[in-house]
Amino acid sequence: EAGVAQSPRYKIIEKRQSVAFWCNPISGHATLYWYQQILGQGPKLLIQFQNNGVVDDSQLPKDRFSAERLKGVDSTLKIQPAKLEDSAVYLCASSLYSGSYEQYFGPGTRLTVT
Amino acid sequence: KQEVTQIPAALSVPEGENLVLNCSFTDSAIYNLQWFRQDPGKGLTSLLLIQSSQREQTSGRLNASLDKSSGRSTLYIAASQPGDSATYLCAAYASGGSNYKLTFGKGTLLTVNP
Repeated sequence: EAGVAQSPRYKIIEKRQSVAFWCNPISGHATLYWYQQILGQGPKLLIQFQNNGVVDDSQLPKDRFSAERLKGVDSTLKIQPAKLEDSAVYLCASSLYSGSYEQYFGPGTRLTVT
Repeated sequence: KQEVTQIPAALSVPEGENLVLNCSFTDSAIYNLQWFRQDPGKGLTSLLLIQSSQREQTSGRLNASLDKSSGRSTLYIAASQPGDSATYLCAAYASGGSNYKLTFGKGTLLTVNP
């Protein structure tokens, strides 16, 4: 079974530029999550999708971050414009359904904003 | 608001030693607790998931216990090996307002010396 795929693996941009990350969850997984992990911290949930609908985006900085999962499969997370404090690893995860189901994580995208 | 704390922040042990990693959470109304491993520059690998009705789970040399009433979980690693060196994260799955979500600790950085 293929795992969660993410691209790119690394990205370096200057502040005020825009960037987009892509995630393809495990086949058949209805729920997709985006997490932000700042160095030395645990991951923090940014947004959760159930199929193509948003379940929770309460911690997403909506003035600069956006995410979509149009066909209920893969997803894109965008930052525009980026700030220095956005430097982090962005992790995508998926699970069979919402609820107390095990989440499977991708390798992450390491973003450096200079 | 759920808060998860992991102690110690870092641990260095000689190969072959048995060790215990600690995790505590503030809200005992959790659905499950999950232990993850994170290697440098990599995503999270799920090690063990303990449902709220369970007291422990075992996988190979790993044993995780859960005591909801005291808000504690431990991860026991037997006969540690250098390949066990990584950051270990625990995460509690519980209500976070309008949605259930995983709340992570900051992790314990484990180094097993040959």
